[in-house]
Amino acid sequence: GAGVSQSPSNKVTEKGKDVELRCDPISGHTALYWYRQSLGQGLEFLIYFQGNSAPDKSGLPSDRFSAERTGGSVSTLTIQRTQQEDSAVYLCASSLKTDGAEAFFGQGTRLTVV
Amino acid sequence: AQSVTQLGSHVSVSEGALVLLRCNYSSSVPPYLFWYVQYPNQGLQLLLKYTTGATLVKGINGFEAEFKKSETSFHLTKPSAHMSDAAEYFCAVSDSGYSTLTFGKGTMLLVSP
Repeated sequence: GAGVSQSPSNKVTEKGKDVELRCDPISGHTALYWYRQSLGQGLEFLIYFQGNSAPDKSGLPSDRFSAERTGGSVSTLTIQRTQQEDSAVYLCASSLKTDGAEAFFGQGTRLTVV
Repeated sequence: AQSVTQLGSHVSVSEGALVLLRCNYSSSVPPYLFWYVQYPNQGLQLLLKYTTGATLVKGINGFEAEFKKSETSFHLTKPSAHMSDAAEYFCAVSDSGYSTLTFGKGTMLLVSP
């Protein structure tokens, strides 16, 4: 596609349920990021994939959060046993990852845990 | 480690007035610096970036920013605000081609008639 695509755009889930958020990056982009955006908190880095290298998971807030990237393309962010504090907009971005390359963002998935 | 500080969570200007959004960074190596804009219910869009070369960078919609190494700053300016500039603006830093982007907390720009 022409841009980064995220699905679903909105997700309401009950506390304790698992959710999966999907990101389709721009074709050919080797780098993929997940960020979490909460009101007044800016963008919180979650995880970073770069080519075939081991992902940088240093931003994942707890072991309930995990992500994978299959075939160097589509990525899925999974949140297990969701809590109300997980409610946020989850943004995915991809880039070519040459030095200083621009990251292109999807429109995000708004997750609401009730 | 990198960090970004954006001074002021909200900035209000009148239409036609100068826009100045402040960004200071810390980085142990020469940085790459970015400004992104986010309109309501949309993703982030790149306004401009500094990698190497000229320290005054021009971006879209009449915005520009100047990299000042001595001040570790990358402030965003626009000579004359337009109502359509009302949005949230994020400054970001990375320090190589293989590191993550670190964002500031954002500044909401409010433009009044």
